[in-house]
Amino acid sequence: DTEVTQTPKHLVMGMTNKKSLKCEQHMGHRAMYWYKQKAKKPPELMFVYSYEKLSINESVPSRFSPECPNSSLLNLHLHALQPEDSALYLCASSHGASESYEQYFGPGTRLTVT
Amino acid sequence: SQQGEEDPQALSIQEGENATMNCSYKTSINNLQWYRQNSGRGLVHLILIRSNEREKHSGRLRVTLDTSKKSSSLLITASRAADTASYFCATGGSGGYNKLIFGAGTRLAVHP
Repeated sequence: DTEVTQTPKHLVMGMTNKKSLKCEQHMGHRAMYWYKQKAKKPPELMFVYSYEKLSINESVPSRFSPECPNSSLLNLHLHALQPEDSALYLCASSHGASESYEQYFGPGTRLTVT
Repeated sequence: SQQGEEDPQALSIQEGENATMNCSYKTSINNLQWYRQNSGRGLVHLILIRSNEREKHSGRLRVTLDTSKKSSSLLITASRAADTASYFCATGGSGGYNKLIFGAGTRLAVHP
C-alpha cells in the first residue's frame, strides 16, 4: 500500500469554527509532513514530524496545531482561521526524515474559510 | 522561501513533441527531486538525482543536473495528453531533515 489518504477532501469553515484535517499512511514511514498550497503556487512546508515528534515548525501561526497520535496518523487542528488561510492542504510521508527520501503525497484537503 | 526557480512558467505543446523544463537553485544541494501535480491534487514523485550524478532516466523522463550552474532540466519525450500537469523541482533543506523547498513550477499543457 503506497497511498497517503486525507480526509475530508473539501472543508468549508467559518472563522470561529474548530475543525481538524486527518492524514493516514500505512507504509511504515517515520516522517510525515503538512504543506500549504495556494492556487498556482508551489507547496510550502508547514510542519515536519519525525518518529512522531515535531521536528520542524516553519513559523506557522498558532491557529494551526499539528498532532501525531501514532506513526500512521497525522492531524492538523484548525481554530480561528482567516480567509487568507483558504488553500489546499497537503500531507506527505517519507521513509525517514532525510532529504534522500522521496515523499509520498496525499490528494489534499481543499479548505475554504468564510 | 523558494529555493528553485523554474522556466518556462507555462508550456503548451502537441502530443508526440518533447517538453523541456528547467530549474535553477541557489545553494549547494545533496540531491534534487522532480514532482508532478495534476490539476491541484497531490504531488507524485518522478525522479531523484544526486549531486554526484549528471543524468538520470526513467521511462520517457530524462533529468540532468549541472551543479556548477546550479541548474537541472526535465525532459519528457513523446509527450501524451496525460502528461498535462504542473511540474516542480524540489531541493532539500539543511539540518538533516527532509525539508523540501519547491520551485515555482512549470504548467505543461499537451494537446491531442
